[in-house]
Amino acid sequence: GAGVSQSPRYKVAKRGQDVALRCDPISGHVSLFWYQQALGQGPEFLTYFQNEAQLDKSGLPSDRFFAERPEGSVSTLKIQRTQQEDSAVYLCASSGRDRDTEAFFGQGTRLTVV
Amino acid sequence: AQSVTQLGSHVSVSEGALVLLRCNYSSSVPPYLFWYVQYPNQGLQLLLKYTSAATLVKGINGFEAEFKKSETSFHLTKPSAHMSDAAEYFCAVSGPWDYKLSFGAGTTVTVRA
Repeated sequence: GAGVSQSPRYKVAKRGQDVALRCDPISGHVSLFWYQQALGQGPEFLTYFQNEAQLDKSGLPSDRFFAERPEGSVSTLKIQRTQQEDSAVYLCASSGRDRDTEAFFGQGTRLTVV
Repeated sequence: AQSVTQLGSHVSVSEGALVLLRCNYSSSVPPYLFWYVQYPNQGLQLLLKYTSAATLVKGINGFEAEFKKSETSFHLTKPSAHMSDAAEYFCAVSGPWDYKLSFGAGTTVTVRA
């Protein structure tokens, strides 16, 4: 596809359930980012990949959050034992190799934990 | 570390009136500054960015922003609002060698007919 694709668009999880959120970046983009956007807030950085290497995971809020990008393309953000405070929109973005290239964002996955 | 503060969580303007969205930044290094727009149920779209070149930056959809180091500001303006400008706007900052963005809380713009 032409843009960043995220699936599912909406996810309702029961508290304690594990979830997996998928991101398909723009083809050829080496950089991939995950952000968390709580209701009424700006996005907050979670983690960054350059190809398959996870170079920064400083924004992951707890060890229940795990992200991977095993082949340097598709990425999955996994949240184990979901809690109500995990409810948010999870945004994925990708960009090219050059530092000044624009980051393109997907539409996000809205996670609601009940 | 870098951060931004957006002044005003909601702005209402009449169609055809000036749009002014305020953003102040804090950065210990020369900043890269960005404005993004988010329409309902959509991802973020880049409006414009400042990366230490010209201080007046022109973006898409008639928006522009001016970097003022003395005021640590990067306010977004558009001379004449259109109904299609109704959306949420985010200011963001990063360092020149940083890859992650720090976003403000956002400003929701409504346009009155």
